[in-house]
Amino acid sequence: DAKTTQPNSMESNEEEPVHLPCNHSTISGTDYIHWYRQLPSQGPEYVIHGLTSNVNNRMASLAIAEDRKSSTLILHRATLRDAAVYYCIPPYNNNDMRFGAGTRLTVKP
Amino acid sequence: SQTIHQWPATLVQPVGSPLSLECTVEGTSNPNLYWYRQAAGRGLQLLFYSVGIGQISSEVPQNLSASRPQDRQFILSSKKLLLSDSGFYLCAVDQPGQGIYGYTFGSGTRLTVV
Repeated sequence: DAKTTQPNSMESNEEEPVHLPCNHSTISGTDYIHWYRQLPSQGPEYVIHGLTSNVNNRMASLAIAEDRKSSTLILHRATLRDAAVYYCIPPYNNNDMRFGAGTRLTVKP
Repeated sequence: SQTIHQWPATLVQPVGSPLSLECTVEGTSNPNLYWYRQAAGRGLQLLFYSVGIGQISSEVPQNLSASRPQDRQFILSSKKLLLSDSGFYLCAVDQPGQGIYGYTFGSGTRLTVV
């Protein structure tokens, strides 16, 4: 199974961009990279996923390194509502999705 | 799209009492179902998953059990709660064959064992 490494915590100012890194050096060539986030007292919610090229949706952008050993979740303008724990998820194996400790993002007004 | 109903939202139970948490799913059939637990300030721990009626796989040995009596119903139980069972319990669903779109989580049950 692929393993991921994320910083425990990050801080950002409101209205500024945020770059959340994730290392996944053991990922295989066909594994998708998923990102989820968990707002306080809620279940995790899907943010974005990608395979090789960069991806954009209404919530965020995902920049994937050319060697696919790392990726960066980009929030273009952080708001107070983006304060959450962000998880970079290894790919599916054996019908489960494993969540690590994630990165706790604090957004300062 | 699939919807998960999880109840109750909060629960306070004494040590040694039984537990039953229920999760039901709408908008999908033959889903994979999951129970996760999150201790205070910690990450999510997968407890059980099910790929079909009556099929339960356990990830962590403990005094909890799970059952799937119907296709879209998943129940988490305990005969005697321990203090260490306190936490945030989350039910999740994914649809086989649509895995790249990931999971949908319920709103969770916050259990406090006193």
